[in-house]
Amino acid sequence: QVQLQESGPGLVKPSETLSLTCTVSGGSINSFSWSWVRQPAEKGLQWIGRMYTSGTANYNPSLKSRTTMSLDTSKNQLSLNLTSVTAADTAVYYCGRLREGGVFDSWGQGTLVTVSS
Amino acid sequence: DIVMTQSPDSLAVSLGERATINCKSSQSVLYSSNNKKYLAWYQQKPGQPPKVLIYWASTRESGVPDRFSGSESGTDFTLTISSLQTEDVAVYYCLQYYSNPWTFGQGTKVEI
Repeated sequence: QVQLQESGPGLVKPSETLSLTCTVSGGSINSFSWSWVRQPAEKGLQWIGRMYTSGTANYNPSLKSRTTMSLDTSKNQLSLNLTSVTAADTAVYYCGRLREGGVFDSWGQGTLVTVSS
Repeated sequence: DIVMTQSPDSLAVSLGERATINCKSSQSVLYSSNNKKYLAWYQQKPGQPPKVLIYWASTRESGVPDRFSGSESGTDFTLTISSLQTEDVAVYYCLQYYSNPWTFGQGTKVEI
């Protein structure tokens, strides 16, 4: 049973970079593709991007200029960097494993990131 | 971006009764080469990540109770819970994965 666990600072200052790591256990990161989704408090879900094992990434155009995703196969980890954050980036961030199509078949529990000085 | 509009925003259904949630896409999510509609339904309970229920508009995920079903007509999609159970209280989202950016509906809260 694959498990995902997000980690990273819970508090980031405005204009700084949000950096999160998703550690995958019980399965190889070399299979499937991987994605980040975020959810502001009491609000809906926003897809951030998708990372393929080839190293190719697709980003949400609304976040593309600030987003970088990467895979570290030696550590079985997926990472997310979001630069120049503002209060609008405050959210619970989830990493997820993508099976066929739009099926997120495994998720981390999510990590709350607050942007505040 | 493809806009996904769900209705209603919330609904209250008696135990054992049917719940129907609608989702309309602003443009087609049909991929003609495989004749599949790139639409999924997710259930989210408080403090938990979303859980996939339906994909390809009408394919039920393994392990999901058969009271959950998905249907479609053009750009209109429906999630039906045939007999609502207490554990079905949640927020439900549709997701289109046809084009970048993938977009979710705003969510429908189902209560008893």
